[in-house]
Amino acid sequence: DVKVTQSSRYLVKRTGEKVFLECVQDMDHENMFWYRQDPGLGLRLIYFSYDVKMKEKGDIPEGYSVSREKKERFSLILESASTNQTSMYLCASSFWRIYNQSPQHFGDGTRLSIL
Amino acid sequence: GQQLNQSPQSMFIQEGEDVSMNCTSSSIFNTWLWYKQDPGEGPVLLIALYKAGELTSNGRLTAQFGITRKDSFLNISASIPSDVGIYFCAGQFSTGANSKLTFGKGITLSVRP
Repeated sequence: DVKVTQSSRYLVKRTGEKVFLECVQDMDHENMFWYRQDPGLGLRLIYFSYDVKMKEKGDIPEGYSVSREKKERFSLILESASTNQTSMYLCASSFWRIYNQSPQHFGDGTRLSIL
Repeated sequence: GQQLNQSPQSMFIQEGEDVSMNCTSSSIFNTWLWYKQDPGEGPVLLIALYKAGELTSNGRLTAQFGITRKDSFLNISASIPSDVGIYFCAGQFSTGANSKLTFGKGITLSVRP
C-alpha cells in the first residue's frame, strides 16, 4: 500500500512565522503535490514536483515555496504566515506510467491555524 | 483553475438506498478518478477509470467513464452508515509533465440509519 505521511496533523503558528510542512512517501514516486482545502473551494493545487529539485507552480502559489531535495520528501514553506493561510493542507504522490501518471494518493492532511 | 461540476453539494439518503453521483466537465479527460474523504482525513482513492465507456466496480461502488470523455458517474448500492463522507471526482488529461488533476468540489453524503 502507498503510504504518504505528513509530519503533523494539527499545527498552530503565529502571523509572520516561517512555517514548514513536511511530506514523505515510501513508494519511490516521482511526482509529489501540495494542495490546500477550504470549505466551498475544494482542493486547490499550490505546487507540484515531478523530480528531485524540480518544482512547478500550481493554481495558487503566492505566499508559498517548496523544496524537494530527496525523491521521497516534499516540503511546503510558508515564508511569512498570514491568517488567510489557515487551512487544511494535503500532500499527494503519484508515479509515471506509459501514457499518463498513476492516480494520486493522499496523506491524512495537516490542519494549520495561523493566529 | 478549472473545476469539475459536481452537484448537489449535499445528499441525504436512507440506509439501504442506492445513490448516484455525477461529474461533468467542459473539457475531455483521459482519466477519471473518484475519491472519498472522511472527516479530518485525506482523500482515499475509490475507483480509477482509464477508457471511455469503461465500467468498473469496487464492492458496492460502480463508476463509469462517459463515452464523450466529459463526464463520469459513481453509484453506491445498498448504502450503509460508513458511506458518510465527501465524494470527489477528479479528471486528468496528462502528457508528460503536465500532470495536474482537476477536482470537483465534492458531494457530502449523509446516510440516515
